[in-house]
Amino acid sequence: SAVISQKPSRDICQRGTSLTIQCQVDSQVTMMFWYRQQPGQSLTLIATANQGSEATYESGFVIDKFPISRPNLTFSTLTVSNMSPEDSSIYLCSVAGTGGGYGYTFGSGTRLTVV
Amino acid sequence: GQQLNQSPQSMFIQEGEDVSMNCTSSSIFNTWLWYKQDPGEGPVLLIALYKAGELTSNGRLTAQFGITRKDSFLNISASIPSDVGIYFCAGPFYNQGGKLIFGQGTELSVKP
Repeated sequence: SAVISQKPSRDICQRGTSLTIQCQVDSQVTMMFWYRQQPGQSLTLIATANQGSEATYESGFVIDKFPISRPNLTFSTLTVSNMSPEDSSIYLCSVAGTGGGYGYTFGSGTRLTVV
Repeated sequence: GQQLNQSPQSMFIQEGEDVSMNCTSSSIFNTWLWYKQDPGEGPVLLIALYKAGELTSNGRLTAQFGITRKDSFLNISASIPSDVGIYFCAGPFYNQGGKLIFGQGTELSVKP
């Protein structure tokens, strides 16, 4: 399965600022997924990022707040813009499995605290 | 939005006991996935199920894909302290780019 490196692992940010999270995969993948996990909650998909096209956002998530870049098949970034304390969450990137399976692999996550 | 219904939400058990948790959905899934998340980490895949009725084991873990394709369960036998964590079921929507939806999670605590 793919190995994902996600940075930063954690950060404490001031409200009103922005944070960009990076996700690097050790193999080429078509789709990358960005999830949010609010404290004590399950994972919720923010958007799906395909290389060469605009990301597809889930209901309740907008590009102005969570812009995503996907410059190549091994890398993506998620920016959390104009942060407020409600954005304090764990943000995770994920890629689908290879070989026909759906054993999605996740990065270790970015724990964001907004103060 | 769509969600998988996972129960129980939490379990407190004694080391050595068996554990069972399940997941149900109003939608049919062609794949069921079970993940474990340790504190400060991303979810790690435990078992993937691809066929209705399938029963799959991974060490002390056993999972089954319900025959209706709307449910799945995960059993952990002879629990040990390192089984502590949050367990999630998940299912992909093939017709929506393969995105996953997750159950609410089962938080497992094991008392030595």
